[in-house]
Amino acid sequence: ETGVTQTPRHLVMGMTNKKSLKCEQHLGHNAMYWYKQSAKKPLELMFVYNFKEQTENNSVPSRFSPECPNSSHLFLHLHTLQPEDSALYLCASSQDGDRWAKNIQYFGAGTRLSVL
Amino acid sequence: AQKITQTQPGMFVQEKEAVTLDCTYDTSDQSYGLFWYKQPSSGEMIFLIYQGSYDEQNATEGRYSLNFQKARKSANLVISASQLGDSAMYFCAMRGETSYDKVIFGPGTSLSVIP
Repeated sequence: ETGVTQTPRHLVMGMTNKKSLKCEQHLGHNAMYWYKQSAKKPLELMFVYNFKEQTENNSVPSRFSPECPNSSHLFLHLHTLQPEDSALYLCASSQDGDRWAKNIQYFGAGTRLSVL
Repeated sequence: AQKITQTQPGMFVQEKEAVTLDCTYDTSDQSYGLFWYKQPSSGEMIFLIYQGSYDEQNATEGRYSLNFQKARKSANLVISASQLGDSAMYFCAMRGETSYDKVIFGPGTSLSVIP
């Protein structure tokens, strides 16, 4: 059983819809991440939150809006998406500290998003 | 800039045989960590093994071992005694000291285990 849970697993939305992806980690970690995985592209880091503070926004369009209310929960709010935003969205968490190089990221199963 | 290269888009291996998945990396950092992940068709990225740049011994985790050659900047994953459940995408990844909150992933290798 994974320590990182993502809901929903599948989502189909129109370009004018507003939806949210949810991620919850049960590992006691202090950092959480959103990644986008498109077909035939490497995994792309979108956002990083460390101790609930956003430390990285990897030039992500404003139609993606992250929210991290506490260290265990991470949301990705979606609005007016484009068909090219269709992808697998993965959430990860890690316990970041002094030994940063060994901080392993643990992933959820992802949300497969289709934008029509 | 940091970069991960996986030159094998797809690999086939006979069940019970060993297989090596290649990974080379490029970084100017002196301190870094290398990771391998497995992604089955279900989508979840599963952590397999870790190697630190200053670790003198190659990492091993069960049937997984990492052939780390620092001078050549390679970190190949060796899977021994392949099983049908090993069929998946495999990603090599790296975290370096100058961008410690980012993990860079390679394009992945698709492994198919043949009965």
